[in-house]
Amino acid sequence: ETGVTQSPTHLIKTRGQQVTLRCSSQSGHNTVSWYQQALGQGPQFIFQYYREEENGRGNFPPRFSGLQFPNYSSELNVNALELDDSALYLCASSFRTGRPFFGPGTRLTVL
Amino acid sequence: DQQVKQNSPSLSVQEGRISILNCDYTNSMFDYFLWYKKYPAEGPTFLISISSIKDKNEDGRFTVFLNKSAKHLSLHIVPSQPGDSAVYFCAASANFGNEKLTFGTGTRLTIIP
Repeated sequence: ETGVTQSPTHLIKTRGQQVTLRCSSQSGHNTVSWYQQALGQGPQFIFQYYREEENGRGNFPPRFSGLQFPNYSSELNVNALELDDSALYLCASSFRTGRPFFGPGTRLTVL
Repeated sequence: DQQVKQNSPSLSVQEGRISILNCDYTNSMFDYFLWYKKYPAEGPTFLISISSIKDKNEDGRFTVFLNKSAKHLSLHIVPSQPGDSAVYFCAASANFGNEKLTFGTGTRLTIIP
């Protein structure tokens, strides 16, 4: 059974650029959630996708957007990057009801 | 507005003794609580959970206690082992099974050999 994987591991971007982060769900899981973990903080919920539809969103601006594909993998896109977007981005997959399993994260640095 | 609070940023415990990590919440709609453990460069790993219909759940060395009237939960680890050194996050969700989790800021546990 393959766990949740994320790519890339690390990424450096400059302010104003756009970034795409990728996530492959654990086998059989149909729900994906994305979280942002800033330094010294707990993860914060960005949004969740269930069967390719957004199913809830946290307190993040529209420049944070996502996609879920038919194979339940997912992308997180962030436009017009700001310095405060520097964080660890975590993807978590689950069944529709059930606790999430987290991937190792993508460390994004915005300069 | 921090709905889930872990007021101790760090905790040091002697190997073999009990580790007690605390968590408070403010949202009365939360009905499912989880503890995650995180090592550097890894994602959070699930440890143990409890639903609001219980006040205690035990799994091996780990026990979670829930006091709904005080909106407080705690994680007990007995006996503590060096491999338990990590950051521990308390998380909560409303609507059991809904995995939109609200996390605390974490407690760094260090087990002293």
